[in-house]
Amino acid sequence: ETGVTQSPTHLIKTRGQQVTLRCSSQSGHNTVSWYQQALGQGPQFIFQYYREEENGRGNFPPRFSGLQFPNYSSELNVNALELDDSALYLCASSPDGGLIAKNIQYFGAGTRLSVL
Amino acid sequence: GQQLNQSPQSMFIQEGEDVSMNCTSSSIFNTWLWYKQEPGEGPVLLIALYKAGELTSNGRLTAQFGITRKDSFLNISASIPSDVGIYFCAGEKVGGSYIPTFGRGTSLIVHP
Repeated sequence: ETGVTQSPTHLIKTRGQQVTLRCSSQSGHNTVSWYQQALGQGPQFIFQYYREEENGRGNFPPRFSGLQFPNYSSELNVNALELDDSALYLCASSPDGGLIAKNIQYFGAGTRLSVL
Repeated sequence: GQQLNQSPQSMFIQEGEDVSMNCTSSSIFNTWLWYKQEPGEGPVLLIALYKAGELTSNGRLTAQFGITRKDSFLNISASIPSDVGIYFCAGEKVGGSYIPTFGRGTSLIVHP
């Protein structure tokens, strides 16, 4: 139990739709990172939010966007869904921004998104 | 997206055996991390390595940061059934944005 909760746990959408995934960070953590994990692959870094500002972004198109709220919870929004967006989306919170090796990330169990 | 080269892809071993897996990259990293992911869960950090040549243990787990800074390995001694899971390496570069790169994972199955 990491104290990081994600909702929903599973979601089915159709191509072209929009989706919002939610993450509540561990108490005392001000940083949230989002990852996409396709089946049989390692997590791919989408972006990180530190104190409500984007603090690093991976190689994902602009239709992947995020938000962090004053209580440090976060949302991941994906517009114009494509079949390849089907994956497990992981959220991780950490005490501070920057290097994950210095600020240990605690992962949630993820949201499984299926795009049909 | 870029992923680190992790091998082997899967391992089927008997309880009590030692396990070794490694991770290589074409890029230099300043930090190497090893995670374990169990079904239905997110990854959990096992070991973090900060300096080239560093050897760090966590119980039965030992990991090393390669001296070229382009590789790392993880050893598990005297495996037990609860070691089952997928093990991921991750590397991190310093400078600019902090973007960690993960390997594709090594799936470990331990037979009692």
